[in-house]
Amino acid sequence: EAQLVDSGGGLVQPGGSLRLSCAASGFNFDNYAISWVRQAPGRRLEWVAGISDSGHSTYYADSVKGRFTISRDNYNNKLSLQMNSLGVEDTAVYYCAKGTGRYCSGHRCYPFDSWGQGSLVTVSS
Amino acid sequence: EIVLTQSPDTLSLSPGERATLSCRASQSVCSSCLAWFQQKPGQTLRLLIYDTSTRATGIPDRFSGSGSGTDFTLTITRLEPEDFAVYYCQQYDNLITFGQGTRLEIK
Repeated sequence: EAQLVDSGGGLVQPGGSLRLSCAASGFNFDNYAISWVRQAPGRRLEWVAGISDSGHSTYYADSVKGRFTISRDNYNNKLSLQMNSLGVEDTAVYYCAKGTGRYCSGHRCYPFDSWGQGSLVTVSS
Repeated sequence: EIVLTQSPDTLSLSPGERATLSCRASQSVCSSCLAWFQQKPGQTLRLLIYDTSTRATGIPDRFSGSGSGTDFTLTITRLEPEDFAVYYCQQYDNLITFGQGTRLEIK
């Protein structure tokens, strides 16, 4: 059974940086796309960043483009999200999520069949 | 961006009743590009339905999905106490977006 364990959340000041990690187990990690999805208080789920099985293709929401970097280590079954220039609008619970496919084909993507428990990121002075 | 609007925001029903949750898309979504998730407090999200109508592994058959174009439905027949939760739809036809959620509460 696939398992994802998020970590790295915490309190950071506006303009600061934070790095989230997601440890995966129970499936062939390098066969699936993985994403970060966040949920800010009172707002809907937002797909923030995604990465293909090989790591060659990445996707970023406009709201984080240029500030966040998604990466993966297929040897150690680990996903990361480097978040820079954080603003209060980035306050949210961040989930890593496993896609059912290897990558988005054009704009056609995939559902998520396993999710981490979530990591709370709070941006506040 | 495809915007998904779920209705109602909150649905109050009793165990044993039938629940019908709606997800409407701002533009047509392919018939194999819509999923439903369940979220309970303190728990991770759980995939229920993908490709509009295919139940995920281990999901009881009281959960069913249907729809096409811009209108999709999640039906839960004979509600069990553990079904009271928040439900989200997700489209993956044009990148990925989610609905705002429907809270299913005990009446």
